[in-house]
Amino acid sequence: EAGVAQSPRYKIIEKRQSVAFWCNPISGHATLYWYQQILGQGPKLLIQFQNNGVVDDSQLPKDRFSAERLKGVDSTLKIQPAKLEDSAVYLCASSRDTEAFFGQGTRLTVV
Amino acid sequence: GDSVTQMEGPVTLSEEAFLTINCTYTATGYPSLFWYVQYPGEGLQLLLKATKADDKGSNKGFEATYRKETTSFHLEKGSVQVSDSAVYFCALPAINAGGTSYGKLTFGQGTILTVHP
Repeated sequence: EAGVAQSPRYKIIEKRQSVAFWCNPISGHATLYWYQQILGQGPKLLIQFQNNGVVDDSQLPKDRFSAERLKGVDSTLKIQPAKLEDSAVYLCASSRDTEAFFGQGTRLTVV
Repeated sequence: GDSVTQMEGPVTLSEEAFLTINCTYTATGYPSLFWYVQYPGEGLQLLLKATKADDKGSNKGFEATYRKETTSFHLEKGSVQVSDSAVYFCALPAINAGGTSYGKLTFGQGTILTVHP
């Protein structure tokens, strides 16, 4: 069974630029999550999708972050414009029942 | 709200030493408890879990017991190996009206473990 796929693995951008991350969950997993992991901290949930609907986006900074999962499969997380404090690893996870499976993440550096 | 506190790290041990990583939590209700591991260059993987009080989760020689009275879920291993070097996260899932949301996790800050030969 293929795992959760994320791309790119690494991204370096200048502040005020925009960036997008892509996630392909495990086939058949209806629930998809995006987490932000700042260096030295545990991951923090940004947004949760159930199929193509948003279940929880209470921790998503909506002035600059957006996410979509149009067909209930792949998802894209966008940051526009990026700030220095957005430097982190962005993790995508998917689940079907009692366990969440995580991708390798995208490491974003904002300079 | 829910929170998880892990012991301050990092932890450096020699091979075959005994490992304990402390984890305490604050939660509404009685959630399941998890330990996740992140090996260098890899994503988070579920290491073990316990679903109710006094349950012991175990995997790859690691163990953790769900202690409701002390709200703790300490991770232990009797003899660590170099290959155990990784970052370990204690986590608990959200409990909603519809039940447990196993992917909606509150994580501790992580403990870096380095094992030397």
